[in-house]
Amino acid sequence: GQQVMQIPQYQHVQEGEDFTTYCNSSTTLSNIQWYKQRPGGHPVFLIQLVKSGEVKKQKRLTFQFGEAKKNSSLHITATQTTDVGTYFCAGRGSNQFYFGTGTSLTVIP
Amino acid sequence: DAGITQSPRYKITETGRQVTLMCHQTWSHSYMFWYRQDLGHGLRLIYYSAAADITDKGEVPDGYVVSRSKTENFPLTLESATRSQTSVYFCASRPGTGSLDTIYFGEGSWLTVV
Repeated sequence: GQQVMQIPQYQHVQEGEDFTTYCNSSTTLSNIQWYKQRPGGHPVFLIQLVKSGEVKKQKRLTFQFGEAKKNSSLHITATQTTDVGTYFCAGRGSNQFYFGTGTSLTVIP
Repeated sequence: DAGITQSPRYKITETGRQVTLMCHQTWSHSYMFWYRQDLGHGLRLIYYSAAADITDKGEVPDGYVVSRSKTENFPLTLESATRSQTSVYFCASRPGTGSLDTIYFGEGSWLTVV
């Protein structure tokens, strides 16, 4: 069945360092979404990528969709304490979205 | 923005008891979902519904029952709760097929089965 794997599971970074999380699917995705969940909160939509090779930026966040539409990445430049949380990718297969296992980011001040 | 609400937010129940988690959305979204979130497993889809009276199994449906008699409500029932069902449950919704089909999550229901 559909599988979306995400690495790393945990990441601790010093404030100001960069951070990247990777998402890989066993099958081709029609699109991919990224969500952020603050500690104790619920996932909140960040962005959607649809086109092969697409790159989108939101301030310090850069999202990329692979050429084969099977992988994606989220890169945060110069992390801040407000970036703390768990980042999920969600790949759309034939009918539904399948969430990755998430990457929990800790930012050390 | 309280477009999607869950109740109860916190619940402790005993093994073997029936528990129902309620979910209500005010957007008239076509799709509704139930996910459970456990450490190391991320968000796993339990059941989803594409419209009223239409429901489908997700990745981990065993031990759960859903119904959707009205578009705005999507209750999740644990027929006989087990300790392995201790989890955080998120209800979610999205408008339907379209170019941007954002999933909106409720605040979550923390369920402990003792």
